Amino acid sequence: DVKVTQSSRYLVKRTGEKVFLECVQDMDHENMFWYRQDPGLGLRLIYFSYDVKMKEKGDIPEGYSVSREKKERFSLILESASTNQTSMYLCASSVSSPPNGYTFGSGTRLTVV
Amino acid sequence: DAKTTQPPSMDCAEGRAANLPCNHSTISGNEYVYWYRQIHSQGPQYIIHGLKNNETNEMASLIITEDRKSSTLILPHATLRDTAVYYCIVIRIQGAQKLVFGQGTRLTINP
Repeated sequence: DVKVTQSSRYLVKRTGEKVFLECVQDMDHENMFWYRQDPGLGLRLIYFSYDVKMKEKGDIPEGYSVSREKKERFSLILESASTNQTSMYLCASSVSSPPNGYTFGSGTRLTVV
Repeated sequence: DAKTTQPPSMDCAEGRAANLPCNHSTISGNEYVYWYRQIHSQGPQYIIHGLKNNETNEMASLIITEDRKSSTLILPHATLRDTAVYYCIVIRIQGAQKLVFGQGTRLTINP
């Protein structure tokens, strides 16, 4: 069963910590995405990558960076975690040409205290 | 990318057909209509997609109007497990692209 795996389901970090959220897909997809989801705001795109070592800013990249050293892995980095980054983080992957659709991970609920 | 408009919420009785509308009046010829749903605390799940013909799979049916400016997702026999937020999204056929999620429709299936 093909899937997108996020390393942690729940995470609690302290303000100022550097936080790594990992995402791995086993479908050989070219594109990978990081979203965050907050009540009343829906899903918002943080960063995406359409190839190894390539990255593009989404709608809310501030305070985040990403790394894609291998095709199957896309990491989201919070350089210095803040309480306003408490959120549900969702990773997704897709092939370059739909219509195969996008596959999402189960999400990581991050709490910054 | 074309934007979509959906009602914020809908109710449906268990066992009945749930019909979820979506308006995408600015859709262009190289864009597909996709539907996803998100059950509480889980990642979004793909349901179905279409370009201009009606589509059916084991989960749902998708009816797209002839002018492609709107579509309807049909869950033929809704169950309590179909309670979720349903998103209608328009995606270009080619190239790397991001999904732009609107607020979706919160569908509640009542016993």
